Amino acid sequence: DAKTTQPPSMDCAEGRAANLPCNHSTISGNEYVYWYRQIHSQGPQYIIHGLKNNETNEMASLIITEDRKSSTLILPHATLRDTAVYYCIVREGRGFQKLVFGTGTRLLVSP
Amino acid sequence: DADVTQTPRNRITKTGKRIMLECSQTKGHDRMYWYRQDPGLGLRLIYYSFDVKDINKGEISDGYSVSRQAQAKFSLSLESAIPNQTALYFCATSWTGSTDTQYFGPGTRLTVL
Repeated sequence: DAKTTQPPSMDCAEGRAANLPCNHSTISGNEYVYWYRQIHSQGPQYIIHGLKNNETNEMASLIITEDRKSSTLILPHATLRDTAVYYCIVREGRGFQKLVFGTGTRLLVSP
Repeated sequence: DADVTQTPRNRITKTGKRIMLECSQTKGHDRMYWYRQDPGLGLRLIYYSFDVKDINKGEISDGYSVSRQAQAKFSLSLESAIPNQTALYFCATSWTGSTDTQYFGPGTRLTVL
């Protein structure tokens, strides 16, 4: 079962920041927050993950609240190619756990 | 991710035929996975392998078999394909020494008539 809640869809104007929220109120202390995205029928693409601290890489930033019950994925300058379904996943960072993709947020970036 | 490749990318076959889907990776990862994706059902794990000698069934392994020929290669076989195996199939890899982040291939679209 997915342990996360995301809005089903969001819109964003090209060039603007896209802020995608995720609630994970039952997250445990050893669980990480992962973000993946899937562009139509392509393989899921890893974006970023974090445990407690905010994280940034070349694709996005991840902001995790202090109580860790929610997080936000930020695409700082969205492009048309960022149109995809974005999945927030909570899982332990060690050992094997299958990835459980919920329904995700369908982000539409428009000109 | 170009480091994970899958062949073929598309395949149409008939009921009862044997089909093999192949996955190769140049990431040097030890773990490999096979998932299928159906509309509205998300990803479901078929098989996973932690190394060449360690292969495990996932949640929907019936009707499938796998072979880990080398650390870099993991094949999925449908011994006798049936129409409800029509789906998108994804291979993924990860490395034990990391936080087990999985990286996916581009997928194979399989249609069984």
